[in-house]
Amino acid sequence: DGGITQSPKYLFRKEGQNVTLSCEQNLNHDAMYWYRQDPGQGLRLIYYSQIVNDFQKGDIAEGYSVSREKKESFPLTVTSAQKNPTAFYLCASSETGNTEAFFGQGTRLTVV
Amino acid sequence: DAKTTQPNSMESNEEEPVHLPCNHSTISGTDYIHWYRQLPSQGPEYVIHGLTSNVNNRMASLAIAEDRKSSTLILHRATLRDAAVYYCIQETGNQFYFGTGTSLTVIP
Repeated sequence: DGGITQSPKYLFRKEGQNVTLSCEQNLNHDAMYWYRQDPGQGLRLIYYSQIVNDFQKGDIAEGYSVSREKKESFPLTVTSAQKNPTAFYLCASSETGNTEAFFGQGTRLTVV
Repeated sequence: DAKTTQPNSMESNEEEPVHLPCNHSTISGTDYIHWYRQLPSQGPEYVIHGLTSNVNNRMASLAIAEDRKSSTLILHRATLRDAAVYYCIQETGNQFYFGTGTSLTVIP
């Protein structure tokens, strides 16, 4: 089945450690996105990529990094520089230009 | 700052129509309006999107005001499975700007 997969669903890390969240899609979409969601809030854009080997910062990119070496993969690294990393992280993909975006089921990251 | 504003919550009786409003007063001529809904601890699910004219699909209808500064998502007959947080989203330059959403409660 075509879709977008995030793993793991739950992740715990100690403060000061970097952690990488996985996002894979087999929809052949050019565009991929990472969002962060805090309790009772809407989604905020961290990074997005319109094409392989290219990505742009979103509204809250500080403390995060990404790579887009393959069309189907867009991993997000939450670095130790991110001051408040505990959140629900959502990955999405779409064809470019005013189309439906498909979201993964999310990764809930807890930093202790 | 959010580009869209929505009421925090709404209630509807089962099998009745629901009108979910959204304001997007800073929208420009090429920005699309999207609606997604989200259940707890899940990713958002696409509902509908449009640019200028009203749109219909199997899930809902989208009515866009003539000046495009507001829109309304219409669920024609609410079911218990429609209970979710509904997000009105302004798409600007291929980026989605989410508001804080409307939590819809459907009363049996």
